[in-house]
Amino acid sequence: DAKTTQPPSMDCAEGRAANLPCNHSTISGNEYVYWYRQIHSQGPQYIIHGLKNNETNEMASLIITEDRKSSTLILPHATLRDTAVYYCIVRLQNTGNQFYFGTGTSLTVIP
Amino acid sequence: GAVVSQHPSRVICKSGTSVKIECRSLDFQATTMFWYRQFPKKSLMLMATSNEGSKATYEQGVEKDKFLINHASLTLSTLTVTSAHPEDSSFYICSAKSAGGGEQYFGPGTRLTVT
Repeated sequence: DAKTTQPPSMDCAEGRAANLPCNHSTISGNEYVYWYRQIHSQGPQYIIHGLKNNETNEMASLIITEDRKSSTLILPHATLRDTAVYYCIVRLQNTGNQFYFGTGTSLTVIP
Repeated sequence: GAVVSQHPSRVICKSGTSVKIECRSLDFQATTMFWYRQFPKKSLMLMATSNEGSKATYEQGVEKDKFLINHASLTLSTLTVTSAHPEDSSFYICSAKSAGGGEQYFGPGTRLTVT
């Protein structure tokens, strides 16, 4: 079962930062937070993951609260191609453990 | 990132027939592969987990005799939908992970339509 909750939808103006929140209040100490996105009729695409420190890569930044009960994915300059469903998943690292997808957030970037 | 392919991308079959979907990891060895299905406007639902060389582990409610999974090599897993019915029409997606990695890499999906 998914252990995360996300708002069902969000809009963001093109060129602005998109901040996508995720609650994972029951996360355990050794579970990581993963973010994926799915553009319509495609397979999910890996974005970023983290344990407790903030992380940044070429796609996005991940901010995890100190108590680890929530996180925010930041797309610094949203483009129309960022319109997708964004999934936040918690999971143990480096195991065969499965990803259980929640309902995600449908982000629409508006021109 | 790592590349996972699926074949075919789309398939239409008649009710009662079987259809096989292939999932390949193109540039890494996938010790574990996962199969998901996704209905329109819904999230991905995990069907089963397969480890190379061993039997797949199915999620509760997924019929193992209907959805046959084979993971005979480190780069290939197959899902066979047996005796397909219209309600099996869905988007089937596989993912793969290597032994040392935490991320799963997803294939592009296969759209199955049963008529």
